[in-house]
Amino acid sequence: DVKVTQSSRYLVKRTGEKVFLECVQDMDHENMFWYRQDPGLGLRLIYFSYDVKMKEKGDIPEGYSVSREKKERFSLILESASTNQTSMYLCASSFPTGGFWTSGYEQYFGPGTRLTVT
Amino acid sequence: TQLLEQSPQFLSIQEGENLTVYCNSSSVFSSLQWYRQEPGEGPVLLVTVVTGGEVKKLKRLTFQFGDARKDSSLHITAAQPGDTGLYLCAGANLKAAGNKLTFGGGTRVLVKP
Repeated sequence: DVKVTQSSRYLVKRTGEKVFLECVQDMDHENMFWYRQDPGLGLRLIYFSYDVKMKEKGDIPEGYSVSREKKERFSLILESASTNQTSMYLCASSFPTGGFWTSGYEQYFGPGTRLTVT
Repeated sequence: TQLLEQSPQFLSIQEGENLTVYCNSSSVFSSLQWYRQEPGEGPVLLVTVVTGGEVKKLKRLTFQFGDARKDSSLHITAAQPGDTGLYLCAGANLKAAGNKLTFGGGTRVLVKP
């Protein structure tokens, strides 16, 4: 089974702090994603990466940066946390090649980090 | 920009009843996934549909991909409290870099015992 782990389930930070959210997957997946999930707004893509050291902006990258130094690890960084970044953050990974049972687009999610910025 | 609209947004039913969740778009997708998310957890993949008109069954859940690959439905027969959760559809586009998905807004299902 694919396993995606996130460094914290709950995090409370103060405004202006630098925040690191880490995600690790154990299935050698090429693609990794960071989303935030807010009531009424659904899942919104922040950044994604399709290879080590490669990154692409998603729909809402402002206020965030990412790092992917190793294939299995994808970090989301809030340079200066603000209250409007209070949210549930979800990491996901996928393997780009489809097989008999897959289309190659299936994403496997971590349990999420609920971040509160006060 | 591709959009996926899910309906209804919220569904509350009694145990044993049937329900259907819809996922619609004006765009064509190469495949479509359905996920279920329980409170405080990440979404979990339920199924992928790839071929227009395809129907897949997973125990009491039936998934259908529209003939034109623009829409999909999830039907649950004899719902149980364990089916409670947020159901998300997500569409894939072969042209999208990094195998990105377009997610629908979700349907929150509550099955009361």
